[in-house]
This record gives sequence, C-alpha cells and structure tokens, in this order.
Amino acid sequence: NAGVTQTPKFQVLKTGQSMTLQCAQDMNHEYMSWYRQDPGMGLRLIHYSVGAGITDQGEVPNGYNVSRSTTEDFPLRLLSAAPSQTSVYFCASSPDWSSYNEQFFGPGTRLTVL
Amino acid sequence: GQQVMQIPQYQHVQEGEDFTTYCNSSTTLSNIQWYKQRPGGHPVFLIQLVKSGEVKKQKRLTFQFGEAKKNSSLHITATQTTDVGTYFCAGPGVTGGGNKLTFGTGTQLKVEL
Repeated sequence: NAGVTQTPKFQVLKTGQSMTLQCAQDMNHEYMSWYRQDPGMGLRLIHYSVGAGITDQGEVPNGYNVSRSTTEDFPLRLLSAAPSQTSVYFCASSPDWSSYNEQFFGPGTRLTVL
Repeated sequence: GQQVMQIPQYQHVQEGEDFTTYCNSSTTLSNIQWYKQRPGGHPVFLIQLVKSGEVKKQKRLTFQFGEAKKNSSLHITATQTTDVGTYFCAGPGVTGGGNKLTFGTGTQLKVEL
C-alpha cells in the first residue's frame, strides 16, 4: 500500500492564480481531511469528508474548495491564491468518522504564493 | 471553539537529558492522541489515551492523560538524537467531534550532542 499520497510536493504560485492540490489514499478509508501547517500554529483543519459525496468545513475553510467524488481522492482547490495561503498542506485519512482512529498523513505540499 | 495549547513551544536539551511537553485543552476530551513530526516530514501517530488518569509507555516515552481529561503530557527519558522533531497532541470534541481533531501548537525538540 502506498498509503496517503499528495502531489505536487512543492508549488509556487502568483497571487490570483488557481490550482488543485491532489490527495489520494489506497486504504479504503472513509474519512479524509486537509490541514494547513504554519509556524507556531500547529495544524489547522481546512475541510473534511466523511465519505464520498459528503464534505464539510473545518476551522479555516475560506479560499478553499473540496469535493469527494470517490473514496480514494480528495482534492483541495485554491480558487484565487493569496500570500496568506503560503503554507504546508497535509492531507490525512482514517478508517471512518470515529474519533478513536489515528490519522494517516500524506507527505505534504509546500506552497508559496508570491 | 475548542483550543489546545502546548508548552513549551521549543525545547533544547543535551542528549541524555529528560524532556516533557504539556498539552492543555479548553474543553474536556473524549480521548487524546499524540503525533511526532520529524523535520521536513509529516505527522506520524504515536499513541492514543482514552481513560481518565491513563498512563501508557513506549520504551523511553511516557504518556499521561489527566484526571479531568483536559490535559496530557509526554515525557521522554534520556533523550537521543532520534527524538528530534515536533510533538503534537490532538483531541476531538467530547460530543459530535468525530475525527475533527484539534491539534495543539506543538513542541519542537532539539537534541544536542
């Protein structure tokens, strides 16, 4: 199993550009989520999904869209990139909605918005 | 909303010294999880605590969950260079939180020879 994969590893955007961060998992996990990590602020939840076709907002959803058409994939879209979105983005998955499951994280995407 | 704070934010130790990081939640937690992130890497699950007052050990690491289920600690005995990284605690809400984890701010550990 590859686990959770993310592409690209690194990305530089100009203000106003749009892009999609890809996330895929091959563990048949129902629950998937996106976090952003900024220095001194830990990991903050952007959006999450409890299964295909179901998504919801996390703590910091503004400026981001998600969709979940399959169990495996959970892409994160930046609609119009801003410098404040410079961050490291992690996708994570777990077997289901239960809070007692560990989260499996992908390797991350390091995004810089100029 | 729920807040999870960790102290200290940074800790430098000499190899062989002990290290402790503390995690405090503004709300009662149904369980707490701990993760380790190596420099340049991604968070990796270490352990979960569920019961009030629970203590678990993993070799040189000791994890505790407070009696009120609002705080937790991670203690490392005789640190090694392999312990370098950032340690995060994370907790869901007591009700309806599901896997919507709130992560602490993290403690970055540096170990010097």
